[in-house]
Amino acid sequence: SQQGEEDPQALSIQEGENATMNCSYKTSINNLQWYRQNSGRGLVHLILIRSNEREKHSGRLRVTLDTSKKSSSLLITASRAADTASYFCATHGGGFQKLVFGTGTRLLVSP
Amino acid sequence: KAGVTQTPRYLIKTRGQQVTLSCSPISGHRSVSWYQQTPGQGLQFLFEYFSETQRNKGNFPGRFSGRQFSNSRSEMNVSTLELGDSALYLCASSLEQGRETQYFGPGTRLLVL
Repeated sequence: SQQGEEDPQALSIQEGENATMNCSYKTSINNLQWYRQNSGRGLVHLILIRSNEREKHSGRLRVTLDTSKKSSSLLITASRAADTASYFCATHGGGFQKLVFGTGTRLLVSP
Repeated sequence: KAGVTQTPRYLIKTRGQQVTLSCSPISGHRSVSWYQQTPGQGLQFLFEYFSETQRNKGNFPGRFSGRQFSNSRSEMNVSTLELGDSALYLCASSLEQGRETQYFGPGTRLLVL
């Protein structure tokens, strides 16, 4: 079974708005990652945040991590139609452990 | 560098048949992982190979198997296909085992009739 739960399951916004999606997980982690998937294709790595970090930025992406609440959020600012995709969080326990994916959030950005 | 490639991209099989999927990792990457993605179960880890050895395995029946060759290319095999095996099968590579960031291929979409 999957470790991460994401909400909302689906999000629909207009271009220029911000999109926020949340991820909760169950066990301790070494790092948490966010991936994007377009239309059932392969996943693309977006950003990685380590367990000792609280916030990280990459371009229009902002990720926060609260290990005490076992949760993370991904904020996409000034969304574009090209941001339409599914977004997945994935947790890594460190070492040789496997990457465990969440359920994903489907984001639709309308022009 | 060329990305992760997977062949074939689409496949239609019937119940009871077997199928072999292929994955070529990014040049220099030695670790290959396989995932199954379905609408109902989402993304689930199948197994990971490093240096031709299976290092991690997910909770899948023995019908699912894989191997890795000396050039790091990997294959996965599903025997006695069931309708529920219809899914997008994704392969991902990373430089070394335990490296956190994985690079995914486009996937093989398998339909079992």
